[in-house]
Amino acid sequence: SQQGEEDPQALSIQEGENATMNCSYKTSINNLQWYRQNSGRGLVHLILIRSNEREKHSGRLRVTLDTSKKSSSLLITASRAADTASYFCATDLEVTGGGNKLTFGTGTQLKVEL
Amino acid sequence: GAGVSQTPSNKVTEKGKYVELRCDPISGHTALYWYRQSLGQGPEFLIYFQGTGAADDSGLPNDRFFAVRPEGSVSTLKIQRTERGDSAVYLCASSIHSGRPYEQYFGPGTRLTVT
Repeated sequence: SQQGEEDPQALSIQEGENATMNCSYKTSINNLQWYRQNSGRGLVHLILIRSNEREKHSGRLRVTLDTSKKSSSLLITASRAADTASYFCATDLEVTGGGNKLTFGTGTQLKVEL
Repeated sequence: GAGVSQTPSNKVTEKGKYVELRCDPISGHTALYWYRQSLGQGPEFLIYFQGTGAADDSGLPNDRFFAVRPEGSVSTLKIQRTERGDSAVYLCASSIHSGRPYEQYFGPGTRLTVT
């Protein structure tokens, strides 16, 4: 089952604008990660934020985490056409054997137009 | 370097048939995961291997699904008596070893279509 929901489900913006995607989840977490998926391809890890962090930056990406509201946001600044993809948040849950099983949200489809 | 590879990239099979999906993880990665992604949804966890053993198979939907990793490297996901509802993209991921919060590297997936 999905852990949570991304909002919006779809987002269309012009190149150069900022894109903000939100993610809500249901259970307590250790970490939250954001992934990007281009059409027909596998997922690419973007950024990880730990449960004791509130904000993290990586290049044009900014992620926030509010554990009291069980929500996270991903901001992409100065978007480019190449940012067109689906974006998923994933929470990191405890599993037997010590692995980090990821539970994904439903994704936001971002389209950046020239 | 080489990433995670999956074969075949596409598989079309008839209802009731048996299929095998293969995953080659990144060399040296001891942890291997299988996920399933239905259209318009995020990936859903199926099974996790640490080395040769399945440490967590709680995501396998029923006993028609089985996965092996006999030598701790390549893994095969096996589906018996396929059903139309099994149609999805099956994703494999590997990470350097267990323990959080190691990044998972995903393969391109196998698109399974059951007719």
